[in-house]
Amino acid sequence: TQLLEQSPQFLSIQEGENLTVYCNSSSVFSSLQWYRQEPGEGPVLLVTVVTGGEVKKLKRLTFQFGDARKDSSLHITAAQPGDTGLYLCAAFGGSNYKLTFGKGTLLTVNP
Amino acid sequence: SAVISQKPSRDICQRGTSLTIQCQVDSQVTMMFWYRQQPGQSLTLIATANQGSEATYESGFVIDKFPISRPNLTFSTLTVSNMSPEDSSIYLCSVATSGAAKNIQYFGAGTRLSVL
Repeated sequence: TQLLEQSPQFLSIQEGENLTVYCNSSSVFSSLQWYRQEPGEGPVLLVTVVTGGEVKKLKRLTFQFGDARKDSSLHITAAQPGDTGLYLCAAFGGSNYKLTFGKGTLLTVNP
Repeated sequence: SAVISQKPSRDICQRGTSLTIQCQVDSQVTMMFWYRQQPGQSLTLIATANQGSEATYESGFVIDKFPISRPNLTFSTLTVSNMSPEDSSIYLCSVATSGAAKNIQYFGAGTRLSVL
């Protein structure tokens, strides 16, 4: 069973601050995904990282896939209240496109 | 992409009753999944809904408790049977499309279930 460890579990910051969320595993993944879930909604895919060492940017969000493809990070620059939500990393394991999710990081950005 | 409609969006149920949740997709999809999520926590896969055959359940989940139907490529239902307060949770439907986007899953908004 693949296990994705996310940290921190909770994060409360002020608007304008930077933050980093981590997703670690002892398993090697062919790809890893990051989702954001806002209250009352289902998770929405932000990015998929595939290549070891890959860095992808989505406006103020920067995603990195570790060289060994076992870990990933999400960095948010100048956080805004609209960034508030549950951030989940996920990876495919086995057949049938089954996703395994990390426990998530609940981010609150205070104005 | 895929647009998913889940019904009901929320419900409050009595212990011992059953609730059926519907998931409708706006296009034909190969894979449909049902997840459970405690508020503010991560998602746990309940089962994969297979069209034309029995659902594939994950460890800890059984068909008698969570019967699933998948009559066609755009629709599925999940029933939470003989409910207890421990079943209070958010239940989410998701789909995976095929082809180049096969590794993208789209989620419904979820059904928030409270069992009294």
